[in-house]
Amino acid sequence: QVQLVESGGGVVQPGRSLRLSCAASGFTFSSYGMHWVRQAPGKGLEWVAVISYEGSNQYYADSVKGRFTISRDNSKNTLYLQMNSLRTEDTAVYYCAKDRYSYGQGIDYWGQGTLVTVSS
Amino acid sequence: QSVLTQPPSASGTPGQRVTISCSGSSSNIGSNTVNWYQQLPGTAPKRLIYSNNQRPSGVPDRFSGSKSGTSASLAISGLQSDDESDYYCAAWDDSLNGWVFGGGTKLTVL
Repeated sequence: QVQLVESGGGVVQPGRSLRLSCAASGFTFSSYGMHWVRQAPGKGLEWVAVISYEGSNQYYADSVKGRFTISRDNSKNTLYLQMNSLRTEDTAVYYCAKDRYSYGQGIDYWGQGTLVTVSS
Repeated sequence: QSVLTQPPSASGTPGQRVTISCSGSSSNIGSNTVNWYQQLPGTAPKRLIYSNNQRPSGVPDRFSGSKSGTSASLAISGLQSDDESDYYCAAWDDSLNGWVFGGGTKLTVL
């Protein structure tokens, strides 16, 4: 079955960087687009970024554009999110999620999430 | 302020039918399909409906989705206490070149 396991969350100071990873299994990772979605404490879901199955297309929410970079290593079945210039408003649980196809069909499976806290 | 608009709350009694709306625009719901997600307290979201009205295997047929123009709806019939959850709609937005979610609707079973 599809498994998505996020790691790399933690407490970081404003302005610093953090890299999240997502280990995927149970499906052919290189055939599907992958997303990052976040949820601030007590708030709703906010889509962050998506990358196409082969990595050539990436799209970002305006709130993270220029600061976050989504990437993937299909040889390692792993998705990444490099987060730079972190702000307190980036504090959230970050979910890794699989797209139904390349990137435009929507999420069909979600990981359990990893908490990122940006605080001085 | 979410791009897709949902009512913040909804409620019903066991056995009742409830509907949750999701309003968008021509650049998202008007030109792309809608997905719905259920998020039980303290857990990751789960896909409930895709492509406006398709149910993944394992999702009870009490859940149904529909779309008309720039709006979509999720209907839950035969309401059960286990349905008490947050529900989110989502669609691709051609203007933003990204996915947008509704603000979420908290369903309470009275």
